[in-house]
Amino acid sequence: DAGVTQSPTHLIKTRGQHVTLRCSPISGHKSVSWYQQVLGQGPQFIFQYYEKEERGRGNFPDRFSARQFPNYSSELNVNALLLGDSALYLCASSLEDSGNTIYFGEGSWLTVV
Amino acid sequence: AQSVTQLDSHVSVSEGTPVLLRCNYSSSYSPSLFWYVQHPNKGLQLLLKYTSAATLVKGINGFEAEFKKSETSFHLTKPSAHMSDAAEYFCVVRGVGGSYIPTFGRGTSLIVHP
Repeated sequence: DAGVTQSPTHLIKTRGQHVTLRCSPISGHKSVSWYQQVLGQGPQFIFQYYEKEERGRGNFPDRFSARQFPNYSSELNVNALLLGDSALYLCASSLEDSGNTIYFGEGSWLTVV
Repeated sequence: AQSVTQLDSHVSVSEGTPVLLRCNYSSSYSPSLFWYVQHPNKGLQLLLKYTSAATLVKGINGFEAEFKKSETSFHLTKPSAHMSDAAEYFCVVRGVGGSYIPTFGRGTSLIVHP
């Protein structure tokens, strides 16, 4: 079975641009969450979605937004990119909105120049 | 509220010697606890998890961890380190019945010398 898949794997953007990152959860998983991992640090929670509803939001500016689709896939959007947005963006999925195990994808490497 | 403290930012061992990565947690609810490993330029892979069953949890690649409620600890151990174990390790707490948002420790970098 496929794990959590993310696209693109690497991308380079210019300051001020917009980026969309995509995630497909493990089949049967209804909850998707997004994390930002800056080099040398642990992942920071950005969003959690369950059944297409936002269930949690981390301490990130409104430039960050996300949504979950009927097939449970998800997009993370970041507007007005800053140099500091350069990071590994990880998507994770779990069965439900509970203490179940979360499974991570390989991430999308974003570089803002 | 919940938090995780990984007590060491770096741990250095020789190949074939035991590994101990320390993690303390706090949680207002019965927690689920996890250890993840991250190899360079990779995502996070689940090593093991504690979810209120047996307090000694066995994971992949010979790792295990013991949940000690009285000490609020969930230390990760392995009897004999292998060169391929060199990676970043993250302890994670996720509240059950409360906040499902996972909280990550800062990470411990395991260095394995030949």
